[in-house]
Amino acid sequence: QQQVKQSPQSLIVQKGGISIINCAYENTAFDYFPWYQQFPGKGPALLIAIRPDVSEKKEGRFTISFNKSAKQFSLHIMDSQPGDSATYFCAASRGETSGSRLTFGEGTQLTVNP
Amino acid sequence: NAGVTQTPKFQVLKTGQSMTLQCAQDMNHNSMYWYRQDPGMGLRLIYYSASEGTTDKGEVPNGYNVSRLNKREFSLRLESAAPSQTSVYFCASSASDRTGNTIYFGEGSWLTVV
Repeated sequence: QQQVKQSPQSLIVQKGGISIINCAYENTAFDYFPWYQQFPGKGPALLIAIRPDVSEKKEGRFTISFNKSAKQFSLHIMDSQPGDSATYFCAASRGETSGSRLTFGEGTQLTVNP
Repeated sequence: NAGVTQTPKFQVLKTGQSMTLQCAQDMNHNSMYWYRQDPGMGLRLIYYSASEGTTDKGEVPNGYNVSRLNKREFSLRLESAAPSQTSVYFCASSASDRTGNTIYFGEGSWLTVV
């Protein structure tokens, strides 16, 4: 049972465009929603994270939008650059659970063409 | 500035062979994790160790064993490898197992079972 569903599976964007990746979750107890970025041959690295007490968080060109009622959250990459080409994973976890217990989405392979 | 180091980087095993993936972190983290990454399935937790001396099963523990040798080291053992265990394995660590603590990943171990 996939508790976090991510779309699209792959995304091609032109340089300067906006990349949008969406995730939907089922467990209403989730209270931490990070996004990870993974370059080929490397491990994932935390990009940005949000908690459900805010609807948006912005860090540079990266923004998370969170819709608690719809149980959805998304990553927006503004002014996308070729260096942003990577695989992106959304994830979710419950605060009271021991162990990180992050549930990951399936991943989105982003390609930004020059 | 090594972070999380895992070995070997690549390994080919025959069905039924055994092997151990080694992992060490130099960030004085209490919690350590083993994930596997398969196409279209995101990252799935195999085992984790919230602190030295403790280990717990994750989402996909069957066919694996772990040892938390000390605070720095957390190994993953495949006793009798199967083709279904062909995957990319990531070791990770975090300061504690509480939600919101950043998880740092190693660079991965590519395992092929033939």
